[in-house]
Amino acid sequence: QSALTQPASVSGSPGQSITISCTGTSSDVGGYNYVSWYQQHPGKAPKLMIYDVSNRPSGVSNRFSGSKSGNTASLTISGLQADDEADYYCSSYTTSSTLVFGTGTKVTVL
Amino acid sequence: QVQLQESGPGLVKPSETLSLTCTVSGGSISRYYWSWIRQPPGKGLEWIGYIYYSGRTNYNPSLKSRVTISVDTSKNQFSLKLSSVGAADTAIYYCARNGDYPYWFGPWGQGTLVTVSS
Repeated sequence: QSALTQPASVSGSPGQSITISCTGTSSDVGGYNYVSWYQQHPGKAPKLMIYDVSNRPSGVSNRFSGSKSGNTASLTISGLQADDEADYYCSSYTTSSTLVFGTGTKVTVL
Repeated sequence: QVQLQESGPGLVKPSETLSLTCTVSGGSISRYYWSWIRQPPGKGLEWIGYIYYSGRTNYNPSLKSRVTISVDTSKNQFSLKLSSVGAADTAIYYCARNGDYPYWFGPWGQGTLVTVSS
């Protein structure tokens, strides 16, 4: 299975909104509403931010939102804050009942 | 609040078997799916495989021939064995809970670095 495709980096100024894309195929992203997103600060374990395309776990800020269109899922961070600077990974369930991660995106707050 | 903790050797010799255990506290392992994920230094995440508390497993096709994940409900632990390791298996290994279905990961353990070197 191939990794989902994410942009290597995205940047924005404090207060702005940014969107990270996650492109797969009809066998993963496009085939199921089981896309999730993870935030990873340097030296830390990843943290679940979005599950099932657009659901936020308890405790995650509503500045984080997810969506999907066809084979591409997206994570939007609104009101960008300094602490949002981190790596972000998407993940999807697949037709083989396996899971696959995206290539990862480094978010920089200018 | 459920917590996960990885344990095992931090150094494994090439061609040997990597063995790690994840201990679950604050909740029972006898529910949910549980996964292993790894991250080579400076690189992205790679899903290794998951296990249901009943013992049902599924593995990453690229690692399937070398991976075994098992569960011990009496100890509230699940384990990873990766055989015939090489330098490319050097990584931080994380354990994580999935959920009632294996669609997402959370929470995660803090991770443990395993280096493959003679």
